[in-house]
This record gives sequence, structure tokens and C-alpha cells, in this order.
Amino acid sequence: NAGVTQTPKFQVLKTGQSMTLQCAQDMNHEYMSWYRQDPGMGLRLIHYSVGAGITDQGEVPNGYNVSRSTTEDFPLRLLSAAPSQTSVYFCASSYSTGAEFFGPGTRLTVL
Amino acid sequence: AQSVTQLGSHVSVSEGALVLLRCNYSSSVPPYLFWYVQYPNQGLQLLLKYTSAATLVKGINGFEAEFKKSETSFHLTKPSAHMSDAAEYFCAVSADTGRRALTFGSGTRLQVQP
Repeated sequence: NAGVTQTPKFQVLKTGQSMTLQCAQDMNHEYMSWYRQDPGMGLRLIHYSVGAGITDQGEVPNGYNVSRSTTEDFPLRLLSAAPSQTSVYFCASSYSTGAEFFGPGTRLTVL
Repeated sequence: AQSVTQLGSHVSVSEGALVLLRCNYSSSVPPYLFWYVQYPNQGLQLLLKYTSAATLVKGINGFEAEFKKSETSFHLTKPSAHMSDAAEYFCAVSADTGRRALTFGSGTRLQVQP
């Protein structure tokens, strides 16, 4: 099993650009989620999904969209990048609750 | 509502000494509780989790944590620190309907002195 994979590993955007962070898991997990990690703030939940076709907002959803068309994939879209979205983004998946398996992260810088 | 407080953003111990990382939570419903470890430039790895079974939970790498409802605590311990334990540790709580979302503490960086 590859576990949870994320692409790209690094990305630099200009303010106003859009992009999609990819996340995939091969463990047939129903629960998937996106977190952002900022220094001194731990991880904060952006969006999550409890199965294909079902998504919901987390603590900091503004400026991000998600969709879940398959069990395996859970992409995160930045609609119009802002410097405040500079962060490290982690995707996670779990069989039943919370987040048990994390991807390696995407380090995003918005200029 | 749910929240997590990790006491001490930095903890330093000597190799072979007891490791104690503190976590207190608040929750309006019975919580699920988690500890994660993060090494530099890596994702998080689940160390252990409490899901309302045994209050003493054993995890990987010799770590364990005890759920104390009366103290609303879930402290992480390891009897003897190893140099490889140096990392950042995060406590998290899940207490929303359906246990779908985690709230993380701000993390504790563990330093192990030779």
C-alpha cells in the first residue's frame, strides 16, 4: 500500500492564482480530511469527507473548496490564493474516525 | 465544543529519563483522544488513541497515555527517553457528532539531551 499520497510537495503561487492540491489513499478509507499547519498553531481542519459525495466544512474553510467523487481521491482547491494561505497542508484518512494516516504534506508559499 | 491544551511548548529531558507530555481537553461529549508525533519535514504519525475502551492506552515506540476523566487529561509518557524520540508531539480530541473532526493542540517539542 502507498498509504496517503499528496502532490505536489512544494508549490509557489502568486496572489490571485488558483491551484489544486491532490490527495489520494489506497486503503479504502471512508474518512478523509484536509488540515493546514502553521507555526505555533498546531493543525486546523479545513474540510473533511465521510464518503464519496459527502463533504463538510471544518474550522477554517474560507478560500478552499473540496469534492469527493471517489473513495480514493480528495482534492483541495484554492480558488484565489492569498498570502494568508501560505502554510503546510496535510491530507489524512481514516477507516472510522478522526485521522489516522497522514500524507507527507504540501508546502505552499503565496507571494 | 472541543479544545485541547498542551502544557509546555518545549520539553527537554536527558536520555534515559522519563518523558511526560501533558494534554488537557475540554469536551461536552465523551471524547476520543489521540497523540501524534511529527519528525522534521514529515507528516504526522499516530502514536496511540483512546476510544472509550481501556483508560490506559499503549502505543508505538514504548509510549503510553492514560485517560483521566476527572482531570480531563490524557498525558503521554515513556519510561526511558531515547535520542530518536526528539520530535514534535501533538495531542488531539474528537468529540463532535460522528467523531469526524479533530481539534489539535499547539504541539510540544521534545528535546532529548545525551
